[in-house]
Amino acid sequence: EAQVTQNPRYLITVTGKKLTVTCSQNMNHEYMSWYRQDPGLGLRQIYYSMNVEVTDKGDVPEGYKVSRKEKRNFPLILESPSPNQTSLYFCASSEKGSSYNSPLHFGNGTRLTVT
Amino acid sequence: AQSVAQPEDQVNVAEGNPLTVKCTYSVSGNPYLFWYVQYPNRGLQFLLKYITGDNLVKGSYGFEAEFNKSQTSFHLKKPSALVSDSALYFCAVRAWMDSSYKLIFGSGTRLLVRP
Repeated sequence: EAQVTQNPRYLITVTGKKLTVTCSQNMNHEYMSWYRQDPGLGLRQIYYSMNVEVTDKGDVPEGYKVSRKEKRNFPLILESPSPNQTSLYFCASSEKGSSYNSPLHFGNGTRLTVT
Repeated sequence: AQSVAQPEDQVNVAEGNPLTVKCTYSVSGNPYLFWYVQYPNRGLQFLLKYITGDNLVKGSYGFEAEFNKSQTSFHLKKPSALVSDSALYFCAVRAWMDSSYKLIFGSGTRLLVRP
């Protein structure tokens, strides 16, 4: 089944404790992206990747890191989480992302709470 | 500024009645427009898109959307609502910003279909 898999689904952590949210897609998609969803704000892009070893900042990249060493994986790293990073995070992928012709495929989300 | 707006936080309809979820946009150039649906505890799912051609676009689950260039709108419609249509709906528009394309999401509209 074609899918985007995120782990974990739920995560509670404390301020400053490094964490990684994994994302993997099995559709051989070139483009991958991370979003955060906050009430009343819709989805805001954190980072995106056009292909392996190519990543770029989205609208709200501060406090986050990403890497794209393999085509299928795109982990999101929070080196020193803070309470304002408490949010619902989504990973997404599409066949080709540069022109957004193709629809995005989303994972089921990771709800992160930072205390 | 390039943007997309969903003016209603929530839309309430009775099962069997027609539904409309509104979306307006402001972008330069020809818009690429999308609708996504989010069911509880799930990621966003693609419903339909408009890139060019017929102004009435048909999508998944019996939904359709009408592109209106003069009113810069892309309202989502369904002739007969089902209780199972209750979900959060997001409109998105492709915009050229900062020397690349971006996908801008609206803030979302919660659809509640009562039996």
